[in-house]
Amino acid sequence: DVKVTQSSRYLVKRTGEKVFLECVQDMDHENMFWYRQDPGLGLRLIYFSYDVKMKEKGDIPEGYSVSREKKERFSLILESASTNQTSMYLCASSLWVGGNEQFFGPGTRLTVL
Amino acid sequence: QKEVEQDPGPLSVPEGAIVSLNCTYSNSAFQYFMWYRQYSRKGPELLMYTYSSGNKEDGRFTAQVDKSSKYISLFIRDSQPSDSATYLCAMRPPSGGSYIPTFGRGTSLIVHP
Repeated sequence: DVKVTQSSRYLVKRTGEKVFLECVQDMDHENMFWYRQDPGLGLRLIYFSYDVKMKEKGDIPEGYSVSREKKERFSLILESASTNQTSMYLCASSLWVGGNEQFFGPGTRLTVL
Repeated sequence: QKEVEQDPGPLSVPEGAIVSLNCTYSNSAFQYFMWYRQYSRKGPELLMYTYSSGNKEDGRFTAQVDKSSKYISLFIRDSQPSDSATYLCAMRPPSGGSYIPTFGRGTSLIVHP
């Protein structure tokens, strides 16, 4: 069974703080993704990575950065958290970018006060 | 207009009903069509996918694609309370184009006993 784990289920941070969201997958997948999910807006792609140290911007990369130093780990960084980044953050992985199945983690509910 | 449109619902049905969930899309390049199910406080998981037009059946679930109308459907027969979840459609072009799927906003389904 593929497992994608995220470091926290719930996180509360203050405006201006630097926030790290960690994601780990255990199936040697090449590709990893970060999404945010908001009511009425659905899933929006923030960044994805198709290889170690490689990253590509998604639809809404502003205010975020990512790091992939190891194949199994993909981190999302909010350099200076703002209230409009309060959201559910979902990490996913897939065997290849064009694969039809993405395996999602349970999500991190981030609240920025 | 979003590339993929999906009514957010909620859709409330009695147990045993036939449920029809739908998405429309505007990009004629889409060839792969996926349905994900997301339970509350969990990440989405792939339910089924189809390629191009036609039907695909898996147990109580049937996915249907009508490319001429740019319309896809997921039918659930004999719906159960355990089917209560948010259902997201996703779609993407074939290899050679953009590999990243485009998601609909999701439809919330409630099946009451």
